[in-house]
Amino acid sequence: SQTIHQWPATLVQPVGSPLSLECTVEGTSNPNLYWYRQAAGRGLQLLFYSVGIGQISSEVPQNLSASRPQDRQFILSSKKLLLSDSGFYLCAWMGSPYNEQFFGPGTRLTVL
Amino acid sequence: GENVEQHPSTLSVQEGDSAVIKCTYSDSASNYFPWYKQELGKRPQLIIDIRSNVGEKKDQRIAVTLNKTAKHFSLHITETQPEDSAVYFCAASIRDYTNAGKSTFGDGTTLTVKP
Repeated sequence: SQTIHQWPATLVQPVGSPLSLECTVEGTSNPNLYWYRQAAGRGLQLLFYSVGIGQISSEVPQNLSASRPQDRQFILSSKKLLLSDSGFYLCAWMGSPYNEQFFGPGTRLTVL
Repeated sequence: GENVEQHPSTLSVQEGDSAVIKCTYSDSASNYFPWYKQELGKRPQLIIDIRSNVGEKKDQRIAVTLNKTAKHFSLHITETQPEDSAVYFCAASIRDYTNAGKSTFGDGTTLTVKP
């Protein structure tokens, strides 16, 4: 069966520090991968998606970036965090255009 | 791009009553409409979905209806229980082999079921 992992689970970082969040999927190949951010009490905002290794599409301009160095690995990064980057970051995968998206457990990021 | 609006933002019902959450979408090409339940601090989990070739779908106490002409869809929960308390999200997306499957989400509805 397929599983999706995210780490770390929680992170507290100072403003201006770098960020690296990792997402890995097991039990599937060539999945579509997505990064979402959820601000407190809000909905899910799509940040990036990837349909294959090295293929990244950005949905909103920001100081974040994403990379997909391997088929089942998706990384969210920042060189300098802002206070507004605080939130709940969710990675998701989809194996087929006709299936649902499955979400990872999320990373709660607090920028101080 | 797609725009999804969800109402109400909060909903409080008595245990045993029904709850209805409504969403509208803007892109007539959207053909897949999932509903997710998110408990506090947890990941969203799919509870039911509907595709544009179907008008209604039921799964025990949960049902979803879709009106393609009006571009709106609704979640119905009957005989609510305290464990139904959570945030519910609707979403809309275009699902075909030429599309990346991006989903646009509503802002969520916080449902509270009072015992």
